[in-house]
Amino acid sequence: DQQVKQNSPSLSVQEGRISILNCDYTNSMFDYFLWYKKYPAEGPTFLISISSIKDKNEDGRFTVFLNKSAKHLSLHIVPSQPGDSAVYFCAPRYNFNKFYFGSGTKLNVKP
Amino acid sequence: SQTIHQWPATLVQPVGSPLSLECTVEGTSNPNLYWYRQAAGRGLQLLFYSVGIGQISSEVPQNLSASRPQDRQFILSSKKLLLSDSGFYLCAFTGQGYEQYFGPGTRLTVT
Repeated sequence: DQQVKQNSPSLSVQEGRISILNCDYTNSMFDYFLWYKKYPAEGPTFLISISSIKDKNEDGRFTVFLNKSAKHLSLHIVPSQPGDSAVYFCAPRYNFNKFYFGSGTKLNVKP
Repeated sequence: SQTIHQWPATLVQPVGSPLSLECTVEGTSNPNLYWYRQAAGRGLQLLFYSVGIGQISSEVPQNLSASRPQDRQFILSSKKLLLSDSGFYLCAFTGQGYEQYFGPGTRLTVT
């Protein structure tokens, strides 16, 4: 959906380094922003989220930052591990029921 | 615990044939239910969502339809498949929280 854009289709980083995945959106009414991780031929799994009233949420190696004025969020993974290699989707929520997914960024963490 | 089942895992159907994909959820009551499609190399497109029995919201006009005959059952159907219906179909639900939980998906190939 064009309301959510992940402009980098792929990202390659070295093990131990930081991975930064970006997501831009246009709808100011999104109230929650979720990140999902997906392996091929499987359903996405929930990773981390952030409320629109916050600007940062941290969970272990994963941190999500939200810049509402820029309508931009990012997912930081530190340190990156080979098992993090997957496709990552950002998925803002609208009106309590609807989720819009970006096109995804394929992360490759090289050993 | 909450679980979601989706079948079949793969399906090959000729153009013009009917379709029925089923999804069931366990361990939660009155969930919101969703059908998504992921075309090759694309993100997840929301097709239908349901907030209760018999309540279906359609996001994309097409030759697909959805039904919710029971609280924890969601069915995706088509009377006549098109080549463009090929893709990876995912069922998901939200329970008490806002995170979506996805099923394993169905790979549909229309020939």
